[in-house]
Amino acid sequence: NAGVTQTPKFQVLKTGQSMTLQCAQDMNHEYMSWYRQDPGMGLRLIHYSVGAGITDQGEVPNGYNVSRSTTEDFPLRLLSAAPSQTSVYFCASRNRVKYSPLHFGNGTRLTVT
Amino acid sequence: QQQVKQSPQSLIVQKGGISIINCAYENTAFDYFPWYQQFPGKGPALLIAIRPDVSEKKEGRFTISFNKSAKQFSLHIMDSQPGDSATYFCAASPLNRDDKIIFGKGTRLHILP
Repeated sequence: NAGVTQTPKFQVLKTGQSMTLQCAQDMNHEYMSWYRQDPGMGLRLIHYSVGAGITDQGEVPNGYNVSRSTTEDFPLRLLSAAPSQTSVYFCASRNRVKYSPLHFGNGTRLTVT
Repeated sequence: QQQVKQSPQSLIVQKGGISIINCAYENTAFDYFPWYQQFPGKGPALLIAIRPDVSEKKEGRFTISFNKSAKQFSLHIMDSQPGDSATYFCAASPLNRDDKIIFGKGTRLHILP
């Protein structure tokens, strides 16, 4: 049971480049989400999904796209990277039982130069 | 607009001492208050959680105290150990909208050996 798997672990991009951060979970969780973690800012929700085909915006969605074609995968796309997107990105999942905990991946550290 | 205010930002405690981290919220619709623990290079993981129908919850050395009238809750770590050194996040989510969990900005705890 791998839990939540994020790839890559590290990435360096130049301004304007695009990339996709991958997230997969093997727990059959319906809910998945993306957070960014910046020093002194805590965890801020970017986008989330309550099931395949359903996505919604979180607190800081600008500059990011998501899709949810399967229960297992929830990729995060940066269409044109900016230095302000330098951060550590975490994917999380949980089941739909009320009060169930979030299960986080180990993060992707992204640097945009 | 920060809905969950966490303090202090950082905390140093001697081994065997009590670590206390405080959080305050404004939204009276919040009905679930988890704490997450994060070690360096890892994603956060649920430590302990409380609902507002109780004033205290204890799990081993970790206790959440909840004051509904003051809209405050705190994490106490008794007999703090070097292995407790981590970043701690309080969080809150509103009734029937646990997809909208809001995190505090985090507290970096260091336990001196």
